[in-house]
Amino acid sequence: GAVVSQHPSRVICKSGTSVKIECRSLDFQATTMFWYRQFPKKSLMLMATSNEGSKATYEQGVEKDKFLINHASLTLSTLTVTSAHPEDSSFYICSARDLDRDQIGPQHFGDGTRLSIL
Amino acid sequence: AQTVTQSQPEMSVQEAETVTLSCTYDTSESDYYLFWYKQPPSRQMILVIRQEAYKQQNATENRFSVNFQKAAKSFSLKISDSQLGDAAMYFCAYIWGGSRLTFGEGTQLTVNP
Repeated sequence: GAVVSQHPSRVICKSGTSVKIECRSLDFQATTMFWYRQFPKKSLMLMATSNEGSKATYEQGVEKDKFLINHASLTLSTLTVTSAHPEDSSFYICSARDLDRDQIGPQHFGDGTRLSIL
Repeated sequence: AQTVTQSQPEMSVQEAETVTLSCTYDTSESDYYLFWYKQPPSRQMILVIRQEAYKQQNATENRFSVNFQKAAKSFSLKISDSQLGDAAMYFCAYIWGGSRLTFGEGTQLTVNP
C-alpha cells in the first residue's frame, strides 16, 4: 500500500535553532500534503496544507514565518520550524492522499516527528 | 462547518469483551466519508475502518465494525473480542470532496487483562 515517510523521527535541539522535517510519499505522487501538530493526549491539529508548486495554505493562528512549508516536488514536502523555542516542542505529523488510487481519503500518515526544544 | 464529536474521552474494556466507541458529526453534505483511526503509544496513525456515506451497509473489518446512522449523523465503532493490542487512542474523522480531514478529540481505550 501507499507509504509516507517522515524524517527525522526525533529531534532535540537548542532554542533558536531552525529544524527541518521532511515528508515523502514513497510510491505515489502527492500534489497535496498536510502538516499536523499534536499535543499529548490531544487530537491532531491541522497546521497547513502543502501544495506542490505553490504556496502553502495555513490555518488560522499558525504563524507562516515560524513554520515554513516547501513542496518542491510531487513526492516531498518540508516543514521548517524557524528559530525554535521551547513552546514549539510538540509532535508533528504529515500526511498525503494518493488521489490516483483513491479519490477520497484515506490520508496516509507519516510516523511523526517528536520535536524537543531545550 | 463540519465538526466531529467524540463524547467519551476514555473507555475501558476487559480482554475478549466488546466495546463501542461513539462518534457524532455535523455536516450539510450528503456524500462524504467517515473513518476511524487508531493511534497506539508509538503515535503512528493507523486506519481501522472507513465508511462511504452513500453506502447503507455498515463497514466491517475483522473484529471491527461500525454502526452508521446517517440520519442521526452517528458513526460508532464496535470492537469485538478486544485484545491487549487494541489499547490506543481512537479518532473518528470526516472528509468531504476535496476538503481536509476533520478529527474528533479522540477516545483513549484501555484493555484490561
